[in-house]
Amino acid sequence: AQTVTQSQPEMSVQEAETVTLSCTYDTSESDYYLFWYKQPPSRQMILVIRQEAYKQQNATENRFSVNFQKAAKSFSLKISDSQLGDAAMYFCAYRSAPTQGGSEKLVFGKGTKLTVNP
Amino acid sequence: AAGVIQSPRHLIKEKRETATLKCYPIPRHDTVYWYQQGPGQDPQFLISFYEKMQSDKGSIPDRFSAQQFSDYHSELNMSSLELGDSALYFCASSPLGLEQYFGPGTRLTVT
Repeated sequence: AQTVTQSQPEMSVQEAETVTLSCTYDTSESDYYLFWYKQPPSRQMILVIRQEAYKQQNATENRFSVNFQKAAKSFSLKISDSQLGDAAMYFCAYRSAPTQGGSEKLVFGKGTKLTVNP
Repeated sequence: AAGVIQSPRHLIKEKRETATLKCYPIPRHDTVYWYQQGPGQDPQFLISFYEKMQSDKGSIPDRFSAQQFSDYHSELNMSSLELGDSALYFCASSPLGLEQYFGPGTRLTVT
């Protein structure tokens, strides 16, 4: 079974600064997807960014980028120019690719609570 | 853009009662997933449907059942409610094999 580990229960960053959230995962599959979801106080789950395991290029979405290290099974999220609205719980998630024939459920880490200080 | 719709948004039930949660996926999304998020926890997968057939099952209690209808909406039925069932229940939808988009959730409180 796949597992996802987020070792930082809480992180804080100054507004306009950069912060990196860590995520590691364990799997025996070769093809899969990784995601970062944001959950603000409203509790809505918002997709931030996704990475396909077969792609060597790290995904970026505006101020959000990832550092995907497949061999190390590491998938960190970097938030640049942090804004007050970035304050939220961030969940790292794993999903098998359809080619693996397994479940397409999301497996989540425990989350990292990000505080942005003005 | 259309999003996943869940109803009701809030539900208060007493122990041993029954609850029904509804989910309306994004148009043309043929896969629906249900997740349960307890207080301070990460979301846990319950069950999924693809083209109205159950496609996967997670740690869903036997007291819970779900189905997907011909119009692709899904319902999660929960019977003999327990205090521990109090949680945020998410529905997510996706086109098969692509990313899942979550609804706003239904907050269930069992008293």
